[in-house]
Amino acid sequence: EAGVAQSPRYKIIEKRQSVAFWCNPISGHATLYWYQQILGQGPKLLIQFQNNGVVDDSQLPKDRFSAERLKGVDSTLKIQPAKLEDSAVYLCASSSQLARPYEQYFGPGTRLTVT
Amino acid sequence: GENVEQHPSTLSVQEGDSAVIKCTYSDSASNYFPWYKQELGKRPQLIIDIRSNVGEKKDQRIAVTLNKTAKHFSLHITETQPEDSAVYFCAASKSNYQLIWGAGTKLIIKP
Repeated sequence: EAGVAQSPRYKIIEKRQSVAFWCNPISGHATLYWYQQILGQGPKLLIQFQNNGVVDDSQLPKDRFSAERLKGVDSTLKIQPAKLEDSAVYLCASSSQLARPYEQYFGPGTRLTVT
Repeated sequence: GENVEQHPSTLSVQEGDSAVIKCTYSDSASNYFPWYKQELGKRPQLIIDIRSNVGEKKDQRIAVTLNKTAKHFSLHITETQPEDSAVYFCAASKSNYQLIWGAGTKLIIKP
């Protein structure tokens, strides 16, 4: 079984630029999560999708962050414009509600540096 | 609000000794408690989990215990090895299949 895929793995941008991250969950996993992990901290949930619908985006800074999962499979997370404090690792995770719904499987993450 | 407290933030043990990491949670509705291991620069990986109808679960050198009355759960690693060095996160379930995460414990295994 292939794992969660993310790209790019690393990204360096200047503040006020825009950036997009891509995630492909494990096949058949209906739930997809985007997390922000700042160095030395635990993952912080940004947005959760169930198929192509948003379950929770209460912690997504909507003035600059957006996310979509149009066909219920792949997802993209965008930041526009980026700020210095957005420097973090962005983790995508997926889970299967049919099997073990709370078990989240993580992708390798995208390390974003904003200069 | 709901939260999970994790202690200690850093734990240094001699190779071969045991390590214990403790977490407390606030949401009495939580019924699933996973532990994730994150090596430097890598993704968090689930290493063991426990559900509220079980008090203890073991998998080789790792074990997790749960005390629902006191709302705390612990990770025990016996006979620690260098490859156990990592950051360990506990979490507790909440509604909508979400997890509330602890802040992490950096485990250092001294040779």
